[in-house]
Order: sequence, then structure tokens, then C-alpha cells
Amino acid sequence: AQKVTQAQTEISVVEKEDVTLDCVYETRDTTYYLFWYKQPPSGELVFLIRRNSFDEQNEISGRYSWNFQKSTSSFNFTITASQVVDSAVYFCALSELTGANSKLTFGKGITLSVRP
Amino acid sequence: GAGVSQSPSNKVTEKGKDVELRCDPISGHTALYWYRQSLGQGLEFLIYFQGNSAPDKSGLPSDRFSAERTGGSVSTLTIQRTQQEDSAVYLCASSSRIYSGANVLTFGAGSRLTVL
Repeated sequence: AQKVTQAQTEISVVEKEDVTLDCVYETRDTTYYLFWYKQPPSGELVFLIRRNSFDEQNEISGRYSWNFQKSTSSFNFTITASQVVDSAVYFCALSELTGANSKLTFGKGITLSVRP
Repeated sequence: GAGVSQSPSNKVTEKGKDVELRCDPISGHTALYWYRQSLGQGLEFLIYFQGNSAPDKSGLPSDRFSAERTGGSVSTLTIQRTQQEDSAVYLCASSSRIYSGANVLTFGAGSRLTVL
């Protein structure tokens, strides 16, 4: 069975601090996809990034960066120089590859509060 | 439409009553998903539609829950004889069929159900 663990439940930082959100996953599949979604107070989940299991190249996009390590089954997400608008719940998710079904298994989410 | 639309945004009902929750996916998106988000349980998959068919209903928690999709578009999630444990936010998501298992889901803002 697939499982996503986000051990941190709540993180509070002061604006401009860097913050890393941890994600550990379990799967028996050799091919899979990992995602990060953000859920601001409005409630809609917003897609941030998708990574496939063959692509361990880490990426930086503006203030966001991702660290995918297959050896430790981790897919961590870092926000550099955090801003108040980054306050949200962040979900890590894993996709099963069953035909066209992109069913996601989510972690329980990390509530990030960025204080001014 | 421009995004995934869900209605009602809030629903308060009495235990034992039936409720219907509606989802209007993005035009042209063939895949549609229902998830439930409750405190302490995170995001749980309920059902997946491809067109009007539901090849994966594995997440429906009991036979009180059912869903249908018509015209390859609008979907309705019905909960019969509601119980207090059904209180949650019900999220709908849709995606186009581009990559197998790796499709990005676009979520609606959810329908918050409160069962008194």
C-alpha cells in the first residue's frame, strides 16, 4: 500500500526565514509521481510541483526548491525568504499508476504560519 | 468553466437527512475525482470517474455514499441518512487525460458539510 508521511504538523516562522517541509513516502511501485500542493485559507488546493520517480534532479523555482532523494524515499520542499502569503497547509502526495487514474495518496499536511 | 466549481459551499443538515453535493469540472476534463477532507484524517480519496464511468469507487466509506456523473461533465455526490461522522469538506478535482498516472488535478474550493 502507498503511504505518505508528513511528520511535521505545524511550523511557525518569522517572515524572511527559510523553511523546509519534510515528506517521506512508501510505495512498491518502481514508477510513480510525487506532488506538492498548497491549500491557502480559501480552501482550494493549488498545484506546486510534480516529479517522476526517474527524475532525481532537484529544482529551484524562484523562492521554492525541492529535494527528491529516492534512496531515502523523501521529497522535501523548501521556501526561501518566506513571506506572509506563504501561510497555508502544504500537502505532499503520491500518485499510483493505474491506467489513466491519477488517484493521489496525500499526507496529512503541514500548516505553515509565517508571521510578519 | 475557468475552474472547478462546487456547490453548495456550505451545507448544514440534520442527522438522518440525505444531501447532494455538486461538482462542475473544468470544461473538457475527462477525469473527475471526489476527496473528503476531515480533521485528523487528512485528504481521503472517495471515487474516480473517467467520462461517465466510475472505474474506481474504492474510497467510498459505506453504501450510504454514491456518486454519478452525467454527460461527461457534472458530478453529484449523494450521502444518504447522514451521520455526524460525515461532517467534512468534500473536494472535487478534475484533470485532462495527458499522462498516465501523472495528471495534475485541479481542485475546487470544496463543500463543507456539517451534520448536527
